Amino acid sequence: GAVVSQHPSWVICKSGTSVKIECRSLDFQATTMFWYRQFPKQSLMLMATSNEGSKATYEQGVEKDKFLINHASLTLSTLTVTSAHPEDSSFYICSAPLREGSYNEQFFGPGTRLTVL
Amino acid sequence: AQSVAQPEDQVNVAEGNPLTVKCTYSVSGNPYLFWYVQYPNRGLQFLLKYITGDNLVKGSYGFEAEFNKSQTSFHLKKPSALVSDSALYFCAVRALRGRKLIFGQGTTLQVKP
Repeated sequence: GAVVSQHPSWVICKSGTSVKIECRSLDFQATTMFWYRQFPKQSLMLMATSNEGSKATYEQGVEKDKFLINHASLTLSTLTVTSAHPEDSSFYICSAPLREGSYNEQFFGPGTRLTVL
Repeated sequence: AQSVAQPEDQVNVAEGNPLTVKCTYSVSGNPYLFWYVQYPNRGLQFLLKYITGDNLVKGSYGFEAEFNKSQTSFHLKKPSALVSDSALYFCAVRALRGRKLIFGQGTTLQVKP
């Protein structure tokens, strides 16, 4: 099956620094990728839709300037948490549909655990 | 607006017994429904989906789910639970013309030997 990877799998950073998380589709191209945030023992909250070649679409309440998304290529989307604070500590997961327009087949990355001290 | 509800935070079942994890949904038009499983500190793994056709959908690892339009439900079932089935389960819905998956709050399944 299709594989989506994330890097790093975990990161610890100091408050005020920026952290970049990568999401890659390893064996397929993805013009769209989705970024989710998950708090402990809670559901996934969609943060934004990453679009290759255009701006990301953010969900209501998600700060665009804080969570920068760049869909650099057909296989790579990055999420940068800028000026991170302890409340940004969370599990970040990306997903990608196998085929453009086929949003019923989405593959999820393994997630990135961010801890901000 | 789309929404998904999983009324149980946790379901406990003995190994070998049948299990049910409940899910109800609200969406305009025909729903596309999904179940995913998540193991600790891991991403989500797809179990099964309902798009159209038979109301009983069979998926991975012996799981199945029944789509009930009148009750707007999509409960996950398995005839005989395994300890290794213990994990966090998410129900999700996508509207006909939407791209986004909306997830329920998740249900922790605990299967005891």
